[in-house]
Amino acid sequence: GAVVSQHPSWVICKSGTSVKIECRSLDFQATTMFWYRQFPKQSLMLMATSNEGSKATYEQGVEKDKFLINHASLTLSTLTVTSAHPEDSSFYICSARGGAYNEQFFGPGTRLTVL
Amino acid sequence: AQSVSQHNHHVILSEAASLELGCNYSYGGTVNLFWYVQYPGQHLQLLLKYFSGDPLVKGIKGFEAEFIKSKFSFNLRKPSVQWSDTAEYFCAVNPRNTGGFKTIFGAGTRLFVKA
Repeated sequence: GAVVSQHPSWVICKSGTSVKIECRSLDFQATTMFWYRQFPKQSLMLMATSNEGSKATYEQGVEKDKFLINHASLTLSTLTVTSAHPEDSSFYICSARGGAYNEQFFGPGTRLTVL
Repeated sequence: AQSVSQHNHHVILSEAASLELGCNYSYGGTVNLFWYVQYPGQHLQLLLKYFSGDPLVKGIKGFEAEFIKSKFSFNLRKPSVQWSDTAEYFCAVNPRNTGGFKTIFGAGTRLFVKA
């Protein structure tokens, strides 16, 4: 299967700062990327869907000005958590779909801790 | 609202026991169905998927799942579990009218297999 990577795997930041998380498809062109959030002992909640070269589509209840998503190329999408607060601490997972694949491939996730 | 429910949050089995994890979804239209597995410290991996055809789907590592349309169910089974099957299992649904782009996950079932 295809490989999706995320960077960093764990980030700790101070409240009020911004954090950028990268998601890369390593061996295929991802026309669509998805960002999920996973709270402890809970399922993945879709935050937004992004298609390469266009604006992301956010799920209801997700603040687009707080969670900035950029999908500038077919292999890279970024999620920027702006003015992070402790309640933004969570596990953020991206997935990608495209090329010959009609299924999603998931990245390893990024653990964000906001102090 | 569309939802996916997994019947058990935690399951503990001894090696060689049979496994069945329940999954039901609420959506009246056509769906794609998935089971993902997340081993400790690893990212989500696809176990098996159903798009159409034979409702009994074979996946990797001896897992299978049966789609019963009348019951809106997609239960995961394995005749004989191994210690290495200890992981968290997620059922997921893609309503077809979203173009397969919106995946809804169940809350997950944590399986612990005793050696």
